[in-house]
Amino acid sequence: QSALTQSPSASGSPGQSITISCTGTSSDVGAYNFVSWYQQHPGKAPKLMIFEVNKRPSGVPDRFSGSKSGNTAFLTVSGLQAEDEADYYCSSYAGNKNFVFGSGTKVTVL
Amino acid sequence: QVQLVQSGAEVKKSGASVKVSCKASGYTFTGYFIHWVRQAPGQGLEWMGWINPKSGGTYYTQIFQGRLTMTRDTSISTAYMELSWLRSDDTAVYYCARDTGSGDYVLDYWGQGTLVTVSS
Repeated sequence: QSALTQSPSASGSPGQSITISCTGTSSDVGAYNFVSWYQQHPGKAPKLMIFEVNKRPSGVPDRFSGSKSGNTAFLTVSGLQAEDEADYYCSSYAGNKNFVFGSGTKVTVL
Repeated sequence: QVQLVQSGAEVKKSGASVKVSCKASGYTFTGYFIHWVRQAPGQGLEWMGWINPKSGGTYYTQIFQGRLTMTRDTSISTAYMELSWLRSDDTAVYYCARDTGSGDYVLDYWGQGTLVTVSS
């Protein structure tokens, strides 16, 4: 199972919005609405930010939103803040009990 | 509150085995699958598989078949991940994570990670 494709980096100034993409195939992202997004700060464990494409767990700011079109999922961070600087990983159920993460995107707040 | 606490860092020789533990608290251990995910230095997340703590059933991703064993001890709410025939490219931080149980592999709580270093 190949990793989902994410752009290596994204950046924005405080207050701006950025969108990260996550491209898979018709066997994973395109087949299921089971896409999640995780935020990981250096030296820390990943944190769930979005699940089932566009749902936010309790405690995650509504500045974070998710969407999907075909085989590509998107994470948008609105009103960028300094603490949003981190690595972001998408994930998707891939059928037959399999699961795959994206390659990761490093977000920099300028 | 839900917590997953993992065992400490390990240094192993090539060819050896390592066993990492993940102790759960704050919820019913047998009610939620536990997944294992690893992250090599400077690299992305790599999913390894899961264990159903209630039944002991497991699923491992293909690349680890034959080298990976996941077990659990329900009496102490602890899951284990054992990787054998270690190679240098197994050097990574290993995480356990709880599945929400909705069937779509959503990992809502994570352990703090265990660094496994494999030296030749």
